Amino acid sequence: AQTVTQSQPEMSVQEAETVTLSCTYDTSESDYYLFWYKQPPSRQMILVIRQEAYKQQNATENRFSVNFQKAAKSFSLKISDSQLGDAAMYFCAYRSATSGTYKYIFGTGTRLKVLA
Amino acid sequence: DTGVSQDPRHKITKRGQNVTFRCDPISEHNRLYWYRQTLGQGPEFLTYFQNEAQLEKSRLLSDRFSAERPKGSFSTLEIQRTEQGDSAMYLCASSLGQAPDEQYFGPGTRLTVT
Repeated sequence: AQTVTQSQPEMSVQEAETVTLSCTYDTSESDYYLFWYKQPPSRQMILVIRQEAYKQQNATENRFSVNFQKAAKSFSLKISDSQLGDAAMYFCAYRSATSGTYKYIFGTGTRLKVLA
Repeated sequence: DTGVSQDPRHKITKRGQNVTFRCDPISEHNRLYWYRQTLGQGPEFLTYFQNEAQLEKSRLLSDRFSAERPKGSFSTLEIQRTEQGDSAMYLCASSLGQAPDEQYFGPGTRLTVT
């Protein structure tokens, strides 16, 4: 069975600085998707960034980028020029692309605090 | 497109009562998912529909839980004989059904069983 691990329960970053959130996963599959979702306090989860496992190039979305290391099964999220609005819970998620199941498997989340 | 909506947003019930939650997905999305999120945890998968067919159920979904998606539009999640352990946030998500098939989440229904 696949698992997703986020080993940092909480992280802090100074406004305008850069922070990296860690995620590791375990799978025997070769084709899958990885996602980072943001869950602001009392608000719904929104997709931050997505990575297809077959793509070697790391995904980027404006200030957000990932470091995808397939062999190491690592998928970290880098947030550059942090803003107060980035404060939220961040969840890493895995979805198989081949097993016929479409469910996400989530990590336990990292709470990001942004300090003014 | 107004996104995924869920109703009610909060529900307080007494142990042993039945509760029903509703989810309205994004209109063109044919896949719909239910997850449960407890404090300090990531969401856990409960069940999934493709159109009106319920195609996958988690072992977490005991026989007190039932979900439906009549006509492949909105979905309901019912919990019978609620227990205090059912207290959680119940999240609904929908997706288009085409790769990469990103899921869009609703705001959730927070259930408190007293």
